[in-house]
Amino acid sequence: ILNVEQSPQSLHVQEGDSTNFTCSFPSSNFYALHWYRWETAKSPEALFVMTLNGDEKKKGRISATLNTKEGYSYLYIKGSQPEDSATYLCAYWMDSSYKLIFGSGTRLLVRP
Amino acid sequence: DAGVIQSPRHEVTEMGQEVTLRCKPISGHDYLFWYRQTMMRGLELLIYFNNNVPIDDSGMPEDRFSAKMPNASFSTLKIQPSEPRDSAVYFCASSGQLSNEKLFFGSGTQLSVL
Repeated sequence: ILNVEQSPQSLHVQEGDSTNFTCSFPSSNFYALHWYRWETAKSPEALFVMTLNGDEKKKGRISATLNTKEGYSYLYIKGSQPEDSATYLCAYWMDSSYKLIFGSGTRLLVRP
Repeated sequence: DAGVIQSPRHEVTEMGQEVTLRCKPISGHDYLFWYRQTMMRGLELLIYFNNNVPIDDSGMPEDRFSAKMPNASFSTLKIQPSEPRDSAVYFCASSGQLSNEKLFFGSGTQLSVL
């Protein structure tokens, strides 16, 4: 059974705070790790696709790191804004199979 | 491109009725996925297709569920007969040829079975 775990389950921060959350996944047979942003009443949108150990990706105030040897990825948001409020999902892709296994997400609420 | 298009957006039906959900992937994408979102289990992969061929349907919960992809631009997910526990949001997603490409999701179908 593949377990993709995300923590924390939910997070409330004040506007301007920086925050980060964790995605843990099996370190064996790693192929790719995805991060998606899911706003309420919308569909998930991809943020990053990461494949190499040590990868760091950045998109505006959001960045992510990847450690495939120990099986974790961090997502960072610098200077959170209310529009960052969403559920952030990570998804793990094992070797070359086309099964993207999603974590349960971290729900972020940024208060103005 | 208009993105992945799903219909209907909402479906309310009675237990025992047949339900058909539809999906149009992004043109040129070779992979199509059906996911189900529930509070208890999060996003679950039901089935995926590669070049219109079903590759893995191990996530399909029961024989009441079936999916088809008759051509590159259309897929259906059918539930017959539907049950209240099938109530969920069903997402269709597509991706390109490379296995490490991101998924593009449709807007989902909110299914309620009474």
